[in-house]
Amino acid sequence: ETGVTQSPTHLIKTRGQQVTLRCSSQSGHNTVSWYQQALGQGPQFIFQYYREEENGRGNFPPRFSGLQFPNYSSELNVNALELDDSALYLCASSGMVVSGSSSYNEQFFGPGTRLTVL
Amino acid sequence: GIQVEQSPPDLILQEGANSTLRCNFSDSVNNLQWFHQNPWGQLINLFYIPSGTKQNGRLSATTVATERYSLLYISSSQTTDSGVYFCAVDNFGNEKLTFGTGTRLTIIP
Repeated sequence: ETGVTQSPTHLIKTRGQQVTLRCSSQSGHNTVSWYQQALGQGPQFIFQYYREEENGRGNFPPRFSGLQFPNYSSELNVNALELDDSALYLCASSGMVVSGSSSYNEQFFGPGTRLTVL
Repeated sequence: GIQVEQSPPDLILQEGANSTLRCNFSDSVNNLQWFHQNPWGQLINLFYIPSGTKQNGRLSATTVATERYSLLYISSSQTTDSGVYFCAVDNFGNEKLTFGTGTRLTIIP
């Protein structure tokens, strides 16, 4: 079973450009969430995709958009990049974990893409 | 929205020491997870613990849901325990996590 993977690892863009980040969810997981982590802060929820539909959004402008594909992989697109978009972007997939007599959904994170906007 | 506060913000300990990290949250939760973020940014799952107590080796965690706090215990610290520890909660059961600001743990040899 492979874990959550993200590409690219690092990216440098200039203000005003557009960027696409990619995420492959863990095998069997159909829910993908994206988070932004600015330096020195905790991750902030951007949006979530479930079975190819957006399923909730955090406090981010419309220039942050996404897609989920039939194989449950996902893309995060950011248009008109601003300096404050410089951050670590994390993708997480959710899957059911069975532990003894109980089951629950737990999120597992990829290694992240570090975006620098100059 | 729900507020998540972690304390202390920074902790510096000698190797072999024990530590307790605290997470307070402002509303009832369906999900609470503890993560360790290594220096390369990877978030590593430690515990899924919306209530009760769990142990995994030198680490253990307790969540008292009625009093809205969780504790992470690290015993016999090792230098590899260094990093930032995050508590994250989901209070609607929709898998959208709200993270605390983290505790930066530094273990000195």
